[in-house]
Amino acid sequence: DVKVTQSSRYLVKRTGEKVFLECVQDMDHENMFWYRQDPGLGLRLIYFSYDVKMKEKGDIPEGYSVSREKKERFSLILESASTNQTSMYLCASSLGTSGIGAATDTQYFGPGTRLTVL
Amino acid sequence: AQSVTQPDIHITVSEGASLELRCNYSYGATPYLFWYVQSPGQGLQLLLKYFSGDTLVQGIKGFEAEFKRSQSSFNLRKPSVHWSDAAEYFCAVGAPSGTYKYIFGTGTRLKVLA
Repeated sequence: DVKVTQSSRYLVKRTGEKVFLECVQDMDHENMFWYRQDPGLGLRLIYFSYDVKMKEKGDIPEGYSVSREKKERFSLILESASTNQTSMYLCASSLGTSGIGAATDTQYFGPGTRLTVL
Repeated sequence: AQSVTQPDIHITVSEGASLELRCNYSYGATPYLFWYVQSPGQGLQLLLKYFSGDTLVQGIKGFEAEFKRSQSSFNLRKPSVHWSDAAEYFCAVGAPSGTYKYIFGTGTRLKVLA
């Protein structure tokens, strides 16, 4: 079974802090994704990565950055946390063997990190 | 613009009753279609997916979905709901080419009455 783990289930930070959310997958997947989930808005893609050190912006990248130094690990960084970044953050991974147009790849999700910024 | 609509925010059914969750999409071509479920405190789990072929797709946990091109719909069904089906359900579409991004609907929260 694919396992996607996220470093924290709950996190409380203060405005202006730098926040790191970590995600690790154990199935040698090429693609990794960061989403935020808000009530009434569903899931929105922040960033994704299709290879080590490769990244692309999603739909709402403002205020976030990412890092992928190793294939299994994908980090989401909030450079200066703000209250409007209080949300549930979900990481996902997919196989990626079909190439860059691989929307057929199933995405496997981690349990999520609920971040509160005070 | 591409979009996914789940018109029902909340649905309540009695245990043993049938269920249908609606999903409509707006896309220039037939997209790839997915249904995911999110149980309380959990990440999303894939229930089923449709790429092509038979328009009635069977998934896990006794769920099925039917693709109707004329209605741009991909509704999820289950003949008899169990209390453990209480969760939030998300429909998603993926582009047939050019990107592996999904667009998610806003979700339908299912409550099951004993």
